[in-house]
Amino acid sequence: GENVEQHPSTLSVQEGDSAVIKCTYSDSASNYFPWYKQELGKRPQLIIDIRSNVGEKKDQRIAVTLNKTAKHFSLHITETQPEDSAVYFCAAGGFQKLVFGTGTRLLVSP
Amino acid sequence: GAVVSQHPSWVICKSGTSVKIECRSLDFQATTMFWYRQFPKQSLMLMATSNEGSKATYEQGVEKDKFLINHASLTLSTLTVTSAHPEDSSFYICSVGSVGDYEQYFGPGTRLTVT
Repeated sequence: GENVEQHPSTLSVQEGDSAVIKCTYSDSASNYFPWYKQELGKRPQLIIDIRSNVGEKKDQRIAVTLNKTAKHFSLHITETQPEDSAVYFCAAGGFQKLVFGTGTRLLVSP
Repeated sequence: GAVVSQHPSWVICKSGTSVKIECRSLDFQATTMFWYRQFPKQSLMLMATSNEGSKATYEQGVEKDKFLINHASLTLSTLTVTSAHPEDSSFYICSVGSVGDYEQYFGPGTRLTVT
């Protein structure tokens, strides 16, 4: 089955810096790669996703890149703000199943 | 996106009792519903997937007789934790999806504490 690894587990940046979180997956059949932001005690919130037929997608300060050959995808957040502080999860899968990464705790200091 | 609710938002029960958690899709025909469990400071782990009117498919290591899932309609799925033990204490989150739609829409979660 699918296995998703995520790094780093914690990431501290200064406000205005960029943050990069990386994930690798094992199942070449996976074709959907969402990223979620989760605040303490809340539901995961989809922030961006990418499908396997696309190499890069951007939405304002957030971008995701996908390298299908290497089976890895990354989340890029530019101009970070304190409100970006949360736990971020990547996931890989398809219609019927998503496997989540282990999470990255992002702390943005003012 | 879909609006998904869960009830209750939190529950405390005694060891050995059963507790039922409801997941409702308020404005979306959820042909598929997913149940996840999340322990503190850990990731979401898929417990089972259910399609409306069919038996749930459980992930490896999840006891189907302990975690009873019913997906009776396109808007309601229930998870019953039977004979609960303290180690079942966790954050249970449901999500909904539909045929041909990759995105899953998550409920707000239910925090279960077993004493």
